[in-house]
Amino acid sequence: DQQVKQNSPSLSVQEGRISILNCDYTNSMFDYFLWYKKYPAEGPTFLISISSIKDKNEDGRFTVFLNKSAKHLSLHIVPSQPGDSAVYFCAASYEGAQKLVFGQGTRLTINP
Amino acid sequence: EAGVVQSPRYKIIEKKQPVAFWCNPISGHNTLYWYLQNLGQGPELLIRYENEEAVDDSQLPKDRFSAERLKGVDSTLKIQPAELGDSAVYLCASSLGRASATQYFGPGTRLTVL
Repeated sequence: DQQVKQNSPSLSVQEGRISILNCDYTNSMFDYFLWYKKYPAEGPTFLISISSIKDKNEDGRFTVFLNKSAKHLSLHIVPSQPGDSAVYFCAASYEGAQKLVFGQGTRLTINP
Repeated sequence: EAGVVQSPRYKIIEKKQPVAFWCNPISGHNTLYWYLQNLGQGPELLIRYENEEAVDDSQLPKDRFSAERLKGVDSTLKIQPAELGDSAVYLCASSLGRASATQYFGPGTRLTVL
């Protein structure tokens, strides 16, 4: 039972353009969502998060959007840079669980 | 501030041998997690500690896996005996627990069982 899904295993974007990574979830109890970025041979690095009381959170070039009715979140990176090439994981949690459920990841490649 | 430290970074063993992984969390983080990450998948929780107490070990295969967190700081994850299917990356993470759901990960240990 995959509660968090990232349906695109890979995404290729031109440098300077917008990258949009998508994530869907099925458990309506989830109330906190995070995006992690992972380079090869390193652990996941926390990027940005959003609580279910919000529908948008922005941090520099990174913006996360949450659509609770559709159980969908997305990460926008603008403008995309070569250093953004990595695997991106979305994760979800709910109050009291203190446990993250991860998607399968999307490999983002930024082309010069 | 130092991040989560894990060792070794890589380990190659033959099947049926024992193996142990070590983790030192971020200072002040009471909650510690061990995750398993298979190739092409996201991390999956094995066990969660609140201080020295294992509060969620429902996904830990207890016939061969064990973990401990003595004194509520460092933690060790052990596999005995290792099987071919245990080849994966073992990640340790820590957080402030109820104060924050954000978890911070170490670099992981890549285990290869031959």
